[in-house]
Amino acid sequence: NAGVTQTPKFQVLKTGQSMTLQCAQDMNHNSMYWYRQDPGMGLRLIYYSASEGTTDKGEVPNGYNVSRLNKREFSLRLESAAPSQTSVYFCASSEHKVSGDLRYGYTFGSGTRLTVV
Amino acid sequence: LAKTTQPISMDSYEGQEVNITCSHNNIATNDYITWYQQFPSQGPRFIIQGYKTKVTNEVASLFIPADRKSSTLSLPRVSLSDTAVYYCLVMIYNQGGKLIFGQGTELSVKP
Repeated sequence: NAGVTQTPKFQVLKTGQSMTLQCAQDMNHNSMYWYRQDPGMGLRLIYYSASEGTTDKGEVPNGYNVSRLNKREFSLRLESAAPSQTSVYFCASSEHKVSGDLRYGYTFGSGTRLTVV
Repeated sequence: LAKTTQPISMDSYEGQEVNITCSHNNIATNDYITWYQQFPSQGPRFIIQGYKTKVTNEVASLFIPADRKSSTLSLPRVSLSDTAVYYCLVMIYNQGGKLIFGQGTELSVKP
């Protein structure tokens, strides 16, 4: 099925460890995004990539890095995990472009549940 | 950035029409209003998006007055499965279409 695939679905890290969250979409979308969601809160934008080859900071970029590897893939890296980064991470994509069709909005993945101990 | 304000929670009964109103006083000319639905342990799901007047799809209707400072999501004849959090968002068109989420409205549909 077409959509956004995130791996892994669950992960437990020790403080100071590093890891990369993977995201891939097969809808030929231009834009991709990483969000985190903490209990009882809305989603907060970490980084986004408006098109292949570009990345920009969102609301809460500190402690994270991203790579737009190609049009399909957008990875999120935690270089030195901290307990404050315990959260659910969502990747999303959209076909947003200057003159594009805006009817379909974002497609979100099912999330990665990360615990840092 | 345009900030949205919506009720934190709402209750309804099966079969009723539900209207959730959102204010976005600082919306920019090129920005769009968009609504998402989120169930527990799932990613948000796109419901509807509009720029002005009225937009309708198979799931909902979106009403936007001429000044675009507010919008109303209308869900016809809700069922128990519509219990979810609903987010009103302004899509920032000239910044990669990025979305900034607020708290959302927790809708509870009762039998």
